[in-house]
Order: sequence, then structure tokens, then C-alpha cells
Amino acid sequence: GAVVSQHPSWVICKSGTSVKIECRSLDFQATTMFWYRQFPKQSLMLMATSNEGSKATYEQGVEKDKFLINHASLTLSTLTVTSAHPEDSSFYICSATSQFEQYFGPGTRLTVT
Amino acid sequence: AQRVTQPEKLLSVFKGAPVELKCNYSYSGSPELFWYVQYSRQRLQLLLRHISRESIKGFTADLNKGETSFHLKKPFAQEEDSAMYYCALSGLNNAGNMLTFGGGTRLMVKP
Repeated sequence: GAVVSQHPSWVICKSGTSVKIECRSLDFQATTMFWYRQFPKQSLMLMATSNEGSKATYEQGVEKDKFLINHASLTLSTLTVTSAHPEDSSFYICSATSQFEQYFGPGTRLTVT
Repeated sequence: AQRVTQPEKLLSVFKGAPVELKCNYSYSGSPELFWYVQYSRQRLQLLLRHISRESIKGFTADLNKGETSFHLKKPFAQEEDSAMYYCALSGLNNAGNMLTFGGGTRLMVKP
């Protein structure tokens, strides 16, 4: 089956620094990847849709200058949290579409101190 | 706008009891609905989708357009069914298909 990986699985950073999270489709090409955010005991909220070779589409309320998304190839999308603050601490999950089905990565836990 | 509602955050049943996890949706078009499951310390994975009309791990779900519901059912719950279950609806945003998730229901099956 299709596998999606994320790196790192967890990261702790200081307030004001930037953090990059990678999402890779390991055995398939994904023209579309999605980035979600999940707060504790809450559901997944779509942040943005990442399309290979074009700009990401952000959901309402998501700051595009804060959450930079780059989909440089058919197997890699990156999410960079710029100038991170403690309120950015969350669980970030990516997914990639293959054969009209979404496959999810294991998630990245970001803690901003 | 599309919305998915799962009214129960927690559902606790005994092993062998029937289970029904509720899901209601609102969507102006023709919906495509899914159930995803997340076992402890594992990633989210697809359980079933309404268009395939299949039974996975004993679970079934029927789309009821009149009631705008897509409840997940299993006649006899097993301990290994304990997990977080998310109902999701596939719709269109400006970039293509997107999934909107319900709030999730934690199913606990007690021995």
C-alpha cells in the first residue's frame, strides 16, 4: 500500500525560530498533498492544499506567511513554521493522494518553548 | 460550506455489544463520505468509504441522504476495535478535493 512519511516525528524549538517539516510519499507520486493541524483532543483541521509546481492553497484563517509550504517534487512537500510561538505547538499531519484515496503520514509533534 | 458532526466524543461498550458511531453531515453537493480510524500510537487510516459499500473488520456504514447521516455500525464489538474514529466528507476547495473531518469519537470496548 501507499506509504507517507514525515520528518521529524517530533521537534522542540525556541520561540522565534523556524521549523521545517517534511512530508514524503515513499512509493508513489503525489501531485496533491494536504497539511492538517490537530490540537489535543480535537479533530484534524485542514491548513492548506499543496500542489506540485504551484502555490499552495490555504484555508481561511491560516497565515500563508507563517506557514510556508513548498511542493518541490511529486514526492516531497515541506511545511515551514516561521517565527514559531508557543501557540503554534501542535500535531501537524500531512496526507498525499493516490488513486483518489488519501494516505496519512504519522504526524509531527511540534513544541515551541 | 461542508460540515461533519460526530455528536459523541466518547463511546464505551462491553465486548460483544453492538456499536453505532454517529455521523451527520451538511454539504450542498453529492457527498462522498469516509470513516477513518486511528489506533493508539498509529497513523490515521481509511476504514471504509460509502461508495464501495463494503464491510471492513465487521464495520458497515450506510449513507442516508434523507437524514444526512453516515453512521458506522458493528453488531459485536471487539476489544481491538478500541480506537479513535473520524467521519470525513470529501468536497471541493479551490485546489481540488479536500477532506473535512468530524470531531472524532473515541470508542472504548471493555472486556
